[in-house]
Amino acid sequence: EAGVAQSPRYKIIEKRQSVAFWCNPISGHATLYWYQQILGQGPKLLIQFQNNGVVDDSQLPKDRFSAERLKGVDSTLKIQPAKLEDSAVYLCASSLKTARVGFAYEQYFGPGTRLTVT
Amino acid sequence: AQSVAQPEDQVNVAEGNPLTVKCTYSVSGNPYLFWYVQYPNRGLQFLLKYITGDNLVKGSYGFEAEFNKSQTSFHLKKPSALVSDSALYFCAVRDGGYNKLIFGAGTRLAVHP
Repeated sequence: EAGVAQSPRYKIIEKRQSVAFWCNPISGHATLYWYQQILGQGPKLLIQFQNNGVVDDSQLPKDRFSAERLKGVDSTLKIQPAKLEDSAVYLCASSLKTARVGFAYEQYFGPGTRLTVT
Repeated sequence: AQSVAQPEDQVNVAEGNPLTVKCTYSVSGNPYLFWYVQYPNRGLQFLLKYITGDNLVKGSYGFEAEFNKSQTSFHLKKPSALVSDSALYFCAVRDGGYNKLIFGAGTRLAVHP
Protein backbone atom coordinates (compact mmCIF):
# COMPACT_ATOMS: atom_id res chain seq x y z
CA GLU A 1 0.00 0.00 0.00
CA ALA A 2 1.42 3.37 -0.99
CA GLY A 3 1.88 5.85 1.81
CA VAL A 4 1.06 9.52 2.09
CA ALA A 5 2.86 11.49 -0.60
CA GLN A 6 3.98 15.09 -0.22
CA SER A 7 5.78 17.53 -2.45
CA PRO A 8 8.04 19.35 -2.54
CA ARG A 9 10.30 17.92 0.15
CA TYR A 10 12.19 21.15 0.64
CA LYS A 11 11.41 24.77 -0.14
CA ILE A 12 13.29 27.98 0.50
CA ILE A 13 11.53 31.30 -0.04
CA GLU A 14 11.92 34.90 1.01
CA LYS A 15 9.50 36.52 3.41
CA ARG A 16 6.38 37.95 1.82
CA GLN A 17 6.55 35.38 -0.99
CA SER A 18 3.90 32.71 -1.45
CA VAL A 19 4.31 28.94 -1.36
CA ALA A 20 2.11 25.89 -1.85
CA PHE A 21 2.41 22.33 -0.61
CA TRP A 22 0.70 19.29 -2.06
CA CYS A 23 -0.47 16.11 -0.37
CA ASN A 24 -1.89 12.87 -1.71
CA PRO A 25 -3.31 10.68 1.09
CA ILE A 26 -3.52 6.94 1.27
CA SER A 27 -6.16 5.65 -1.13
CA GLY A 28 -9.55 5.34 0.53
CA HIS A 29 -8.71 7.52 3.50
CA ALA A 30 -11.54 9.95 4.14
CA THR A 31 -9.76 12.19 6.65
CA LEU A 32 -6.78 14.39 5.85
CA TYR A 33 -4.75 16.53 8.25
CA TRP A 34 -2.15 19.26 7.87
CA TYR A 35 0.26 19.76 10.76
CA GLN A 36 2.96 22.34 11.36
CA GLN A 37 6.07 21.13 13.19
CA ILE A 38 8.42 23.85 14.36
CA LEU A 39 11.94 22.75 15.27
CA GLY A 40 12.02 21.35 18.80
CA GLN A 41 8.25 21.07 19.11
CA GLY A 42 5.61 18.47 18.47
CA PRO A 43 3.34 18.74 15.45
CA LYS A 44 0.42 21.14 15.74
CA LEU A 45 -2.78 20.60 13.77
CA LEU A 46 -3.53 23.37 11.31
CA ILE A 47 -6.56 21.97 9.50
CA GLN A 48 -8.50 18.73 9.24
CA PHE A 49 -10.73 17.62 6.36
CA GLN A 50 -13.38 14.94 6.33
CA ASN A 51 -13.74 14.14 2.61
CA ASN A 52 -13.75 17.66 1.12
CA GLY A 53 -15.28 19.43 4.11
CA VAL A 54 -13.36 21.22 6.87
CA VAL A 55 -13.79 19.64 10.31
CA ASP A 56 -11.33 21.77 12.29
CA ASP A 57 -9.35 24.82 11.25
CA SER A 58 -9.25 26.53 14.63
CA GLN A 59 -5.44 26.89 14.62
CA LEU A 60 -5.03 27.88 10.99
CA PRO A 61 -3.81 31.51 10.61
CA LYS A 62 -6.50 32.34 8.12
CA ASP A 63 -5.09 35.75 7.22
CA ARG A 64 -2.19 34.03 5.44
CA PHE A 65 -2.84 30.28 5.30
CA SER A 66 -5.42 28.53 3.15
CA ALA A 67 -6.09 24.92 2.30
CA GLU A 68 -8.40 23.00 0.07
CA ARG A 69 -9.18 19.40 -0.66
CA LEU A 70 -10.84 19.15 -4.02
CA LYS A 71 -12.88 16.03 -4.76
CA GLY A 72 -12.02 14.69 -1.32
CA VAL A 73 -8.63 13.31 -2.34
CA ASP A 74 -5.54 15.50 -2.87
CA SER A 75 -5.01 18.61 -0.80
CA THR A 76 -3.05 21.83 -1.14
CA LEU A 77 -1.86 24.08 1.67
CA LYS A 78 -0.88 27.64 0.74
CA ILE A 79 0.90 30.41 2.60
CA GLN A 80 0.65 33.95 1.30
CA PRO A 81 2.54 36.03 2.31
CA ALA A 82 5.08 33.99 4.24
CA LYS A 83 6.69 35.21 7.45
CA LEU A 84 9.95 34.17 9.06
CA GLU A 85 8.05 32.32 11.80
CA ASP A 86 6.45 30.06 9.19
CA SER A 87 9.76 28.20 8.87
CA ALA A 88 8.82 24.66 9.87
CA VAL A 89 8.12 21.19 8.56
CA TYR A 90 4.60 20.83 7.18
CA LEU A 91 3.27 17.33 7.64
CA CYS A 92 0.29 15.82 5.91
CA ALA A 93 -1.47 12.83 7.43
CA SER A 94 -4.50 10.74 6.62
CA SER A 95 -6.73 8.28 8.42
CA LEU A 96 -9.42 5.91 7.27
CA LYS A 97 -12.17 7.87 9.01
CA THR A 98 -12.46 10.60 11.60
CA ALA A 99 -13.49 8.85 14.77
CA ARG A 100 -16.20 7.03 16.59
CA VAL A 101 -16.92 6.40 20.23
CA GLY A 102 -14.62 3.82 21.74
CA PHE A 103 -12.27 3.73 18.79
CA ALA A 104 -9.52 5.89 17.36
CA TYR A 105 -8.09 5.66 13.87
CA GLU A 106 -4.33 5.80 13.42
CA GLN A 107 -3.01 8.69 11.43
CA TYR A 108 -0.46 7.91 8.72
CA PHE A 109 2.04 10.66 8.03
CA GLY A 110 3.87 11.72 4.91
CA PRO A 111 7.57 12.64 4.90
CA GLY A 112 6.83 16.35 5.24
CA THR A 113 7.90 19.53 3.48
CA ARG A 114 10.66 21.51 5.13
CA LEU A 115 10.02 25.22 4.57
CA THR A 116 12.69 27.82 5.21
CA VAL A 117 11.67 31.47 5.04
CA THR A 118 14.59 33.92 4.78
CA ALA B 1 -8.14 21.15 27.25
CA GLN B 2 -6.34 17.91 26.62
CA SER B 3 -2.56 17.88 26.89
CA VAL B 4 0.45 15.61 27.22
CA ALA B 5 3.85 16.28 28.71
CA GLN B 6 7.13 14.57 27.99
CA PRO B 7 9.41 15.56 30.87
CA GLU B 8 12.68 14.42 29.29
CA ASP B 9 14.22 16.11 26.27
CA GLN B 10 16.62 13.21 25.79
CA VAL B 11 17.01 9.67 27.07
CA ASN B 12 20.30 7.82 26.77
CA VAL B 13 20.49 4.06 27.09
CA ALA B 14 23.01 1.37 26.26
CA GLU B 15 22.16 -1.21 23.63
CA GLY B 16 20.60 -4.28 25.20
CA ASN B 17 19.33 -2.41 28.25
CA PRO B 18 15.65 -1.72 28.88
CA LEU B 19 14.37 1.71 27.90
CA THR B 20 11.56 3.93 29.16
CA VAL B 21 10.31 7.14 27.57
CA LYS B 22 7.95 9.01 29.86
CA CYS B 23 4.63 10.67 29.11
CA THR B 24 1.98 12.14 31.39
CA TYR B 25 -1.42 13.33 30.30
CA SER B 26 -4.18 15.68 31.34
CA VAL B 27 -7.64 15.00 29.93
CA SER B 28 -11.29 15.38 30.72
CA GLY B 29 -13.00 12.06 30.25
CA ASN B 30 -11.42 8.86 29.03
CA PRO B 31 -7.99 9.30 27.43
CA TYR B 32 -7.16 8.07 23.95
CA LEU B 33 -3.35 7.94 23.93
CA PHE B 34 -0.78 7.31 21.21
CA TRP B 35 2.95 6.95 20.66
CA TYR B 36 4.63 7.90 17.39
CA VAL B 37 8.28 7.71 16.33
CA GLN B 38 10.07 10.05 13.93
CA TYR B 39 13.27 9.11 12.14
CA PRO B 40 15.43 11.81 10.49
CA ASN B 41 13.86 13.30 7.37
CA ARG B 42 10.87 11.03 7.64
CA GLY B 43 7.30 11.46 8.79
CA LEU B 44 5.90 10.15 12.03
CA GLN B 45 5.23 6.45 12.30
CA PHE B 46 2.50 5.02 14.52
CA LEU B 47 3.76 2.71 17.28
CA LEU B 48 0.76 1.96 19.48
CA LYS B 49 -2.40 3.32 21.06
CA TYR B 50 -4.45 2.94 24.23
CA ILE B 51 -8.20 3.28 24.05
CA THR B 52 -9.52 1.00 26.76
CA GLY B 53 -8.91 -2.43 28.26
CA ASP B 54 -5.57 -3.93 29.24
CA ASN B 55 -3.21 -1.37 30.77
CA LEU B 56 -0.23 -2.87 28.93
CA VAL B 57 -0.41 -2.15 25.21
CA LYS B 58 1.88 -3.87 22.74
CA GLY B 59 2.93 -2.17 19.53
CA SER B 60 5.34 -2.22 16.64
CA TYR B 61 9.08 -3.04 16.74
CA GLY B 62 8.86 -4.66 20.19
CA PHE B 63 7.62 -1.52 21.96
CA GLU B 64 4.93 -1.53 24.60
CA ALA B 65 3.34 1.13 26.78
CA GLU B 66 1.88 1.02 30.25
CA PHE B 67 -1.25 3.04 30.98
CA ASN B 68 -1.52 4.14 34.62
CA LYS B 69 -4.71 5.99 35.44
CA SER B 70 -3.80 6.93 39.01
CA GLN B 71 -0.51 8.49 37.89
CA THR B 72 -1.97 9.82 34.61
CA SER B 73 0.97 8.32 32.77
CA PHE B 74 1.52 6.42 29.55
CA HIS B 75 5.19 5.46 29.47
CA LEU B 76 6.75 3.80 26.44
CA LYS B 77 8.96 0.80 27.13
CA LYS B 78 11.12 -1.79 25.44
CA PRO B 79 12.88 -4.66 27.22
CA SER B 80 16.07 -4.51 25.15
CA ALA B 81 17.09 -1.40 23.22
CA LEU B 82 18.65 -1.45 19.76
CA VAL B 83 20.88 1.20 18.21
CA SER B 84 18.29 1.45 15.44
CA ASP B 85 15.70 2.60 18.02
CA SER B 86 17.50 5.94 18.19
CA ALA B 87 14.91 8.49 17.05
CA LEU B 88 12.48 11.15 18.24
CA TYR B 89 9.45 9.84 20.13
CA PHE B 90 6.15 11.67 20.51
CA CYS B 91 3.32 11.01 22.89
CA ALA B 92 -0.11 12.27 21.78
CA VAL B 93 -3.68 12.45 23.07
CA ARG B 94 -6.87 12.65 21.06
CA ASP B 95 -8.72 15.92 21.59
CA GLY B 96 -12.45 15.86 21.00
CA GLY B 97 -14.47 13.60 18.76
CA TYR B 98 -12.76 14.27 15.44
CA ASN B 99 -9.47 12.40 15.88
CA LYS B 100 -7.46 15.61 16.41
CA LEU B 101 -4.14 14.79 18.09
CA ILE B 102 -2.32 16.96 20.61
CA PHE B 103 1.37 16.07 20.64
CA GLY B 104 4.01 16.42 23.32
CA ALA B 105 7.28 18.18 22.57
CA GLY B 106 9.06 14.91 21.92
CA THR B 107 11.86 12.95 23.55
CA ARG B 108 15.03 12.12 21.71
CA LEU B 109 16.17 8.56 22.40
CA ALA B 110 19.85 7.79 21.91
CA VAL B 111 20.90 4.16 22.12
CA HIS B 112 24.66 3.69 22.39
CA PRO B 113 26.49 0.54 21.25
